[in-house]
Amino acid sequence: SYELTQPPSVSVSPGQTASITCSGDKLGEKYACWYQQTPGQSPVLVIYQDNKRPSGIPERFSGSYSENTATLTITGTQPADEADYYCQAWDSSTAVFGGGTKLTVL
Amino acid sequence: QVQLQESGPRLVKPSETLSLTCTVSGGSIRSHYWSWIRQPPGKGLEWIGYIYYIGNTNYNPSLKSRVTISVDTSKNQFSLKLSSVTAADAAVYYCARAVAVTGYVFDYWGQGTLVAVSS
Repeated sequence: SYELTQPPSVSVSPGQTASITCSGDKLGEKYACWYQQTPGQSPVLVIYQDNKRPSGIPERFSGSYSENTATLTITGTQPADEADYYCQAWDSSTAVFGGGTKLTVL
Repeated sequence: QVQLQESGPRLVKPSETLSLTCTVSGGSIRSHYWSWIRQPPGKGLEWIGYIYYIGNTNYNPSLKSRVTISVDTSKNQFSLKLSSVTAADAAVYYCARAVAVTGYVFDYWGQGTLVAVSS
């Protein structure tokens, strides 16, 4: 079965840039997207279709691809960005989520 | 504004069937795909399956033998049945809308409902 691999945790200082990676075979062909989940809340879509942001998502969230890796970048990270982040893609009409990355803003 | 709300029993006995319903408001269920996604306590997200309003379905291969998703367009609802549950099925169950962009993304989610499995 298809797998997406994320680092379990990433730490960043307030105001700095956080990068969270998601790796999978031929991921660049599968249009990964990213969700943010704060404790006790439902996931929220933050990036889709390479680098598009839904309405209401701050410009500091961006996405990029390189070969088999998608990267979520948060520029000027704020304490409110501390959350779990999940990448997601489709493979053979099946939705697959990465294991999630806990972003800590120290 | 589309809203989704899960409902159903919060406690299911081992070997029995988990049944949940998602009610969609603020929009018609007669478009897009509608999914169930679950999250065991302290763990990551797992996609269960989706349904299109005309009844087309697709399920996670790891759960396919136990899952049925159905839709009731007259009530703007879709439902999940998961049979032969075990403790491993205890999770927060979310319903979500999948909208087509390049691929599909889950743009609206319910608040989630925690289902425990215990005798």
